[in-house]
Amino acid sequence: DIQMTQSPSSLSASVGDRVTITCQASQDISYHLNWYQQKPGKAPKLLIYDASKLETGVTTTYSGRGSGTDFTFTISSLQPEDTAIYFCQQFHNLPRTFGPGTEVQIK
Amino acid sequence: EVQLEESGGGLVQPGGSLRLSCEASGFTFTAFWMTWVRQTPGKGLEWVANISPDGSEKNYVDSVKGRFTISRDNAKNTLYLQMNNLRADDAALYYCVRGLNHHRCWGQGALVSVSS
Repeated sequence: DIQMTQSPSSLSASVGDRVTITCQASQDISYHLNWYQQKPGKAPKLLIYDASKLETGVTTTYSGRGSGTDFTFTISSLQPEDTAIYFCQQFHNLPRTFGPGTEVQIK
Repeated sequence: EVQLEESGGGLVQPGGSLRLSCEASGFTFTAFWMTWVRQTPGKGLEWVANISPDGSEKNYVDSVKGRFTISRDNAKNTLYLQMNNLRADDAALYYCVRGLNHHRCWGQGALVSVSS
């Protein structure tokens, strides 16, 4: 199985800050990576697919980059509504696997 | 509006069985792969199984192979997960999810507890 790691596991930043989360795959997954946001008591929501494509209706303050084994997710200007846990997920192989998540909080 | 509504969760003893259902609406069910994903505080998000639009292809995570069966009734727009020989580590919130690669639609989840 492909192992997905994320860093940091949690972060606290100020409103307006640029925030970057990294995700690393245990093997080459090309661009086969998604990013999800999960708020308390809610199901995950797809934000970025195919590593860098913004899902319809999602704010342009979110972006994704990377290919192969190393990926990043960036919030260009952190807002209070961005408080959530963010997960990466590979769809290169079965079983699909998720990263452990990064908790983003407002300082 | 696209909707997925799970049902069938509950408390079961170790070794017991449970069947989850997921009723889909607002989209052409027969056009999509469907997936079950579970979540626990300790293990995070775990992909469990998926099934092709016509039900002919099914895939499972190793930890549930031989115990869980995914199926669908396209006439009823319903996805199922039959869970047998349940173990303590199967306890989780089970999400019904649309799609093979990009999971754009998730249900609200069905809670499965396994305890004696």
